[in-house]
Amino acid sequence: SYELTQPPSVSVSPGQAARITCSGDAFPSKFAYWYQQKSGQAPVLVIYEDTKRPSGIPERFSGSNSGTMATLTLSGAQVEDEADYYCYSIDSSGKGVFGGGTKLTVL
Amino acid sequence: EVQLVESGGVVVQPGGSLRLSCAASGFSFDDYTMHWVRQAPGKGLEWVSLITWDGGSKRYADSVKGRFTISRDNSKNSLHLQMNSLRPEDTALYSCAKDKYRNDKVKTFPDYWGQGTLFNVSS
Repeated sequence: SYELTQPPSVSVSPGQAARITCSGDAFPSKFAYWYQQKSGQAPVLVIYEDTKRPSGIPERFSGSNSGTMATLTLSGAQVEDEADYYCYSIDSSGKGVFGGGTKLTVL
Repeated sequence: EVQLVESGGVVVQPGGSLRLSCAASGFSFDDYTMHWVRQAPGKGLEWVSLITWDGGSKRYADSVKGRFTISRDNSKNSLHLQMNSLRPEDTALYSCAKDKYRNDKVKTFPDYWGQGTLFNVSS
């Protein structure tokens, strides 16, 4: 079955850039999506179709998809960005797949 | 305002069955593919299943295929997940989620999520 691999954790200081990677054999031909989940809350879509940002998501969130790696970048991470981040894609049979999640710490 | 409210979470014995429901409002339910996603306590997100807006196409994660059945009633704006042969590893918070695009069978991904319903498979 198709798998997406993320680092378990990423840590940055406030104002620094944070990069969270997602490795998948079907990239870049398949789109990557990114979700933010804060403690006790439902996930929120922050990037879709590799690079698009939903309305209401700050401009500091951006995405890319190249080679076999999709990347979520927070340019100038804020304390309120601390959360778990999950990548998502669709496999060749049309089934969804999530990465294992990355805990972002901003301190 | 989009609202998704899940229900049906209880304690079930291994091997048992359960039906989860999701009541949708605030959007044209019969135009959107819907998903079920679960999250075991302290674990990551796991995609479970999807059903297209017309019920014509259904997909399942390998971990639930043959045991779970997704369905929808567009006349009642409701989504369901029938779960049979339950195992302890099915214990999780189950959330329904709406797709982003209307009537799209290719670019399907969860856009808006409900808060979920929790159930426990335990003897």
